[in-house]
Amino acid sequence: GENVEQHPSTLSVQEGDSAVIKCTYSDSASNYFPWYKQELGKRPQLIIDIRSNVGEKKDQRIAVTLNKTAKHFSLHITETQPEDSAVYFCVYTSGTYKYIFGTGTRLKVLA
Amino acid sequence: KAGVTQTPRYLIKTRGQQVTLSCSPISGHRSVSWYQQTPGQGLQFLFEYFSETQRNKGNFPGRFSGRQFSNSRSEMNVSTLELGDSALYLCASSLVGQGGYNEQFFGPGTRLTVL
Repeated sequence: GENVEQHPSTLSVQEGDSAVIKCTYSDSASNYFPWYKQELGKRPQLIIDIRSNVGEKKDQRIAVTLNKTAKHFSLHITETQPEDSAVYFCVYTSGTYKYIFGTGTRLKVLA
Repeated sequence: KAGVTQTPRYLIKTRGQQVTLSCSPISGHRSVSWYQQTPGQGLQFLFEYFSETQRNKGNFPGRFSGRQFSNSRSEMNVSTLELGDSALYLCASSLVGQGGYNEQFFGPGTRLTVL
C-alpha cells in the first residue's frame, strides 16, 4: 500500500555543512514529490518539488533528487544556515489525490 | 491575494461533544485537503475535496467527516470527541491543473483541545 519512510528523524549539522534527508516509498503510483518546511509554530510551506519525468531539480541551496527505480527521493541542503533549522517533510502523492507525509526530520543548524 | 484562513483558531471541548472547523481556501483554489498534526503522529491526511466531492480519505474513523461548498469553502466535523482527537487541524488548498498535483498552501490551523 501507500507508505513513505523518512530518515533521519533528527539531524544536527554545523553551519555551512550540507544536510541530506531521504524518503523511501513503497508503491509506484506517485508522479509528484514535494518537500515542505515547517518552522516552529508556523504552517508548512513548500520549498521544492519534483515530478517523475525529472531526476533532479535545484533551487539555489536546495536540491531534490528522485530515483524512481529504487523508489526514493532526497532533499539536499548545501551551505546550511541557522534559518534552515526547521522540520522538513517529504510527501508521497498517490494517484487519487491522497497526500502521505513522511514522519518529518528535525534539522538543527548549529552556529 | 489572501491566504488560506481557518476558524476558529483555538477550541476547547469535552469528551463526547462534536466540533465543526472551517477552512476558506485561496481564491480560485478548488482543492481543499485536511490534516491532523500531532507530536507523535506527524501530519496525517484526513480527506481531500474538489468541486464539492470527496476524492480521497485517510485512515480515520467515521467520526471524522467533511464537506465542501460551491464556493470551495470546506468544513470538517468530528463527532463524539475523544481525548486523542486533541491536535492541530490544518487545511490546505491548491490549484488543480493539467499536471494534476500542485503546491498546497496551508492555513494557520485550528488547535483543538479535548478535555
